Amino acid sequence: DAGVIQSPRHEVTEMGQEVTLRCKPISGHNSLFWYRQTMMRGLELLIYFNNNVPIDDSGMPEDRFSAKMPNASFSTLKIQPSEPRDSAVYFCASSLEGLGGLGYTFGSGTRLTVV
Amino acid sequence: AQSVAQPEDQVNVAEGNPLTVKCTYSVSGNPYLFWYVQYPNRGLQFLLKYITGDNLVKGSYGFEAEFNKSQTSFHLKKPSALVSDSALYFCAVRDSGSGNTPLVFGKGTRLSVIA
Repeated sequence: DAGVIQSPRHEVTEMGQEVTLRCKPISGHNSLFWYRQTMMRGLELLIYFNNNVPIDDSGMPEDRFSAKMPNASFSTLKIQPSEPRDSAVYFCASSLEGLGGLGYTFGSGTRLTVV
Repeated sequence: AQSVAQPEDQVNVAEGNPLTVKCTYSVSGNPYLFWYVQYPNRGLQFLLKYITGDNLVKGSYGFEAEFNKSQTSFHLKKPSALVSDSALYFCAVRDSGSGNTPLVFGKGTRLSVIA
């Protein structure tokens, strides 16, 4: 398996533009997590899905953020409109939940810069 | 509620010396504990975990961690540090009885191994 695949690796966009980040989890994993990492706030959980269903989106900072998981092999995180304070590294992770003791596999992240 | 603390933002150690990265946790039941490492411009990588059994857990790259229930700690250790161990280290915890709730990550400890 190629692991968790995120695209793009880097994104530079202007303030006000829509940004879409993509994630392909490991085949067979049934849970998917979106994290944001910044120097100031560390690693923050934004939202997670179990079996494609959003379970907890309380970490999503504002209504400008939305996430979808239309099927087991694909998820998107969208920011519309983007702002400079959204600049961060966004990670996607997947796992096989239900067994409790398994950890997560992380993607390489998308570095977002909003200018 | 679950929580994890990494009391040191930065740990400096000379190459060849033993290293310790500290982690304490709080859960209401029994913990599942994890260590992850993040190298520059990369996602988090799994190092080791404690689920049950021996309190001393061995993981990748010569790292080990000791689960101490009375001190609610799970410190990461390595007998002889390498310059290549320099990275950001995250401790994470989940209550074994919490179902599919996400792992809670610490804020991370930056390890710098000096040649």
